[in-house]
Amino acid sequence: TQLTQSPSSLSASVGDRVTITCRASQGISMYLGWYQQKPGKAPKLLIYDASTLQSGVPSRFSGSGAGTDFTLTISSLQPEDFATYYCQQLESYPITFGQGTRLEIK
Amino acid sequence: MQLVESGGGLVQPGGSLGLSCAASGFTFSAYYMEWIRQAPGKGLEWLGLVRTKANSFTTEYAAPVKNRFIISRDDSMNSVYLQINSLTIEDTAVYYCVRKSLRYRSGSDFWGQGTLVTVSS
Repeated sequence: TQLTQSPSSLSASVGDRVTITCRASQGISMYLGWYQQKPGKAPKLLIYDASTLQSGVPSRFSGSGAGTDFTLTISSLQPEDFATYYCQQLESYPITFGQGTRLEIK
Repeated sequence: MQLVESGGGLVQPGGSLGLSCAASGFTFSAYYMEWIRQAPGKGLEWLGLVRTKANSFTTEYAAPVKNRFIISRDDSMNSVYLQINSLTIEDTAVYYCVRKSLRYRSGSDFWGQGTLVTVSS
């Protein structure tokens, strides 16, 4: 299953509301995760089952969607949120990732 | 909790390499374990996983690596392994050892720091 994220990159300011989308080439029910990766670091799981926040993740992060269309929203950007975000489908093997969305400071 | 990868380094094209990942701080035997890689400046690529003893240590692989990569585990050593054969320049990447969440189809909840494999002559 192919995942397409948009946009590929995004410039925003602290305090902005940001939305990243992930579209699957076929239905994946709710089996989508979102990850955050900072330069030189391993990715970190933010959201699973499309909308469930991983323990310890700030509530400004939220996810929605089912089937083929999903979104990750950051309600009020903080300085530590500038990173690259990936979606991942877990509905079937092989597991696949989106190509990533780089979130930069405006 | 820790996942510590080792075995990376510089390898010539056509060669083979074995990566290891030592786990600690959690019940290793209860978890499926994965390998995921990231080429320099590129995105994440899922390589495969090995299931638990209860699931007969069965494996899944991404299609591009299915015939060259072998994932195995030794629960007595709390370790998971990745054997890579017939290396090409395109295998140059950071290789992450990753724990798959116990929740059904819920992602990868703990990652190692990664080990860099460079394929070059």
